[in-house]
This record gives sequence, structure tokens and C-alpha cells, in this order.
Amino acid sequence: KAGVTQTPRYLIKTRGQQVTLSCSPISGHRSVSWYQQTPGQGLQFLFEYFSETQRNKGNFPGRFSGRQFSNSRSEMNVSTLELGDSALYLCASSGDSTQETQYFGPGTRLLVL
Amino acid sequence: QQQVKQSPQSLIVQKGGISIINCAYENTAFDYFPWYQQFPGKGPALLIAIRPDVSEKKEGRFTISFNKSAKQFSLHIMDSQPGDSATYFCAAKAAGNKLTFGGGTRVLVKP
Repeated sequence: KAGVTQTPRYLIKTRGQQVTLSCSPISGHRSVSWYQQTPGQGLQFLFEYFSETQRNKGNFPGRFSGRQFSNSRSEMNVSTLELGDSALYLCASSGDSTQETQYFGPGTRLLVL
Repeated sequence: QQQVKQSPQSLIVQKGGISIINCAYENTAFDYFPWYQQFPGKGPALLIAIRPDVSEKKEGRFTISFNKSAKQFSLHIMDSQPGDSATYFCAAKAAGNKLTFGGGTRVLVKP
């Protein structure tokens, strides 16, 4: 099976812009989670979607949003970008009933100037 | 109460040595404790995981030790190799809840 894919891999934006990141989970996986990774804060949970419904949400401002489509592909959107949003955004999919085993994609590295 | 504390932040070990990374948690509802390995430019990959009803789990050169009463768990990398040089994350999860990660440990294995 193909792994989790994320597009784009790299992105440069300026403050105030918005960005949309895409994630395609492993075929058959219905759960998709998003994480933000920065050197200072480590890996922080953004949100999790299962069958198009958001099941869990982390402590991020409303500028961060996501959605999941019927084919389990997911997108996350960040509006009104701030310099502090520069990070590696990771998507992970899970296919087991407990959603414990998560398979990560390579991430999208976002730089906000 | 969701926090997972990981130490050390970095460690250097000689080839053939033992790398030990420790994690502590507070939330007694956590019932799944995985370790992830991340190489530069890659996403984290599941290495090994344990549940609280087991005190130790070994897979190849990687061993998790779990102390439920102390709310601590650790990763031991035996016979460390240069290819093990990576960042390691511990994590914890409660049923129906999100995965909470430790801060990460950068391991460098010197040849």
C-alpha cells in the first residue's frame, strides 16, 4: 500500500495570507489526524477526523480549521497567517478500530515571511 | 494533565552502547504508550508500543520498560548503531482521545 501523502511538501507564504494543505491517507484508513511540529513546541495535536467528522481538537486558535472528504482525504486551512505558524505540518492516518497506530506522512514545511 | 515529559533532550552514545530515554506522565487514563522515531525530512514512524498491563516489551534491539506505579516508561536502544541516529518521541493516549507526545530526544550515535 502507498503511504500517507501530503501536498505540497514546501510552501512559502507571507503574513496575512491563508494556506490549504492536503493529506491523502493510506487506502482504507478512515481516521486522519493533523499535527504541528516546531523546534520549540514539539509535536502538537491540531485535530482528528473520522468519517468526515471532527472527533478531537487541540488547543489552537480558530484560524486553524480542517475537513475530511468522503474518500477520507483531508485538508487543513490556516487563515491570516502569522510568523509563528511557520512549522512542519504532519498528517497521520490510522486504520485500526482504536485509531492507536498512526502512520505519518512526510509533512508540509510552511514558512511564513 | 495531558502532559508527557521526556528526557534527556539530547544524548550522544558510542556505537555499541545503550541509549536510554525516559518519559513520565500524569494522566492515569492513558492506556497506550508508543515510541516514534523520526529522521530528518521524514515524518515520525512507529517503533514500538506498550500497554500498562505489561512491564517490558522487546523488539529486536529496542526495549520499552514500563513502571505503572511511578507513571514512567523508558526506551532502551541496545547495541546502538549510527543508523539509529534520529529523534525519538514518546507518546501516550487514552481511549477515544488524542495522542500526546513528549518533547523529543535527539540521539547521536558516534561510530
